[in-house]
Amino acid sequence: GQQVMQIPQYQHVQEGEDFTTYCNSSTTLSNIQWYKQRPGGHPVFLIQLVKSGEVKKQKRLTFQFGEAKKNSSLHITATQTTDVGTYFCAGPLSGGYNTLIFGAGTRLAVHP
Amino acid sequence: DAGVIQSPRHEVTEMGQEVTLRCKPISGHNSLFWYRQTMMRGLELLIYFNNNVPIDDSGMPEDRFSAKMPNASFSTLKIQPSEPRDSAVYFCASSALNRDREAFFGPGTRLTVL
Repeated sequence: GQQVMQIPQYQHVQEGEDFTTYCNSSTTLSNIQWYKQRPGGHPVFLIQLVKSGEVKKQKRLTFQFGEAKKNSSLHITATQTTDVGTYFCAGPLSGGYNTLIFGAGTRLAVHP
Repeated sequence: DAGVIQSPRHEVTEMGQEVTLRCKPISGHNSLFWYRQTMMRGLELLIYFNNNVPIDDSGMPEDRFSAKMPNASFSTLKIQPSEPRDSAVYFCASSALNRDREAFFGPGTRLTVL
């Protein structure tokens, strides 16, 4: 079945270091969404990418959508302790359904 | 808007008991989803409603799980009888009907089955 895979599962960084998480889909996606879940919280929408090769920035966060629309990445420059959490990518379930299939997430730990 | 509302926030029950989780989606959203999150399996989609109609329940683990959406502003997820392996955080999320809209998650219900 349709799958969305994320790597790494877990990453430790020192505050100030950069961080990247990668997302790969088994199918071409019409869009990809990124969510952040703080410890003990719920997933919160960050951004949506729609166009092939699209790059979007939110302050220190840079999101990319691959040319083939099957992969994506999230890069955080100079991490801060407030970046701690799990980052999920999600794509629409194929078949015309208005629902999302989530990757397993990358848990980011930032040490001061 | 208060966002997606879920109750209870925490539930501790004994094996064999019936558990009912409740969700109120964001007003105007036509799609509602139930997800389960565990360390081992991550975020799993259990069931999805469109305009109150269940569209895809292939993620519902077994017959012990059932979900209803009697109207546009309320949904329930019921587990009967509950088992320890059902312990997880259950999220309800809603979104607008059109494709490619983001999902808004509720705060979740943390279920512990002893």
